[in-house]
Amino acid sequence: QKEVEQNSGPLSVPEGAIASLNCTYSDRVSQSFFWYRQYSGKSPELIMSIYSNGDKEDGRFTAQLNKASQYVSLLIRDSQPSDSATYLCAVPFSGGYNKLIFGAGTRLAVHP
Amino acid sequence: GAVVSQHPSWVICKSGTSVKIECRSLDFQATTMFWYRQFPKQSLMLMATSNEGSKATYEQGVEKDKFLINHASLTLSTLTVTSAHPEDSSFYICSASRPGLAIPYEQYFGPGTRLTVT
Repeated sequence: QKEVEQNSGPLSVPEGAIASLNCTYSDRVSQSFFWYRQYSGKSPELIMSIYSNGDKEDGRFTAQLNKASQYVSLLIRDSQPSDSATYLCAVPFSGGYNKLIFGAGTRLAVHP
Repeated sequence: GAVVSQHPSWVICKSGTSVKIECRSLDFQATTMFWYRQFPKQSLMLMATSNEGSKATYEQGVEKDKFLINHASLTLSTLTVTSAHPEDSSFYICSASRPGLAIPYEQYFGPGTRLTVT
């Protein structure tokens, strides 16, 4: 089992809809979780961090964390074509070194 | 915010030459910096982790003698690709981790350097 798993997509949603991106992780002791957005040809950009169970909202983005089920999700409300990108889920590496383990990413396509 | 810069943003070099890429944290001191490589349509691949004043820790399969990393200060890390070959052509991205964060392990990425070896 991979440490961080994401559906590669593409996830296609119409403009204005809610996009739901999911991520599961294998390390039960993980405490913090991150969502990055990566546009084609660009570097990743941190969009959400979460460490408590439940929801965290920031503008149109909501991160949801369920540690018991070992999944974290990202909801994007009122999706816009500019949200079309690859979304990467990341979890701290349990072996230390402050490094993150990234999922392969889910490609989101928002069509007008 | 936390701003990380990289220089150059793109570079073309001839096979057999060496290329140095700089990564700077502009508005914070980075305890740890990371170097990633990404081939087209593929996932991020961590190459190495570096801490200021210490030797870098390389991921399995990454040649430390080919990819030289120097973390000279809390704001600067460099990656030198030695004796570059066409298969080293890739998108190299650095990131930096800032101490004292409410949520540790947050990494901030630089804009990346696109290397083409001819």
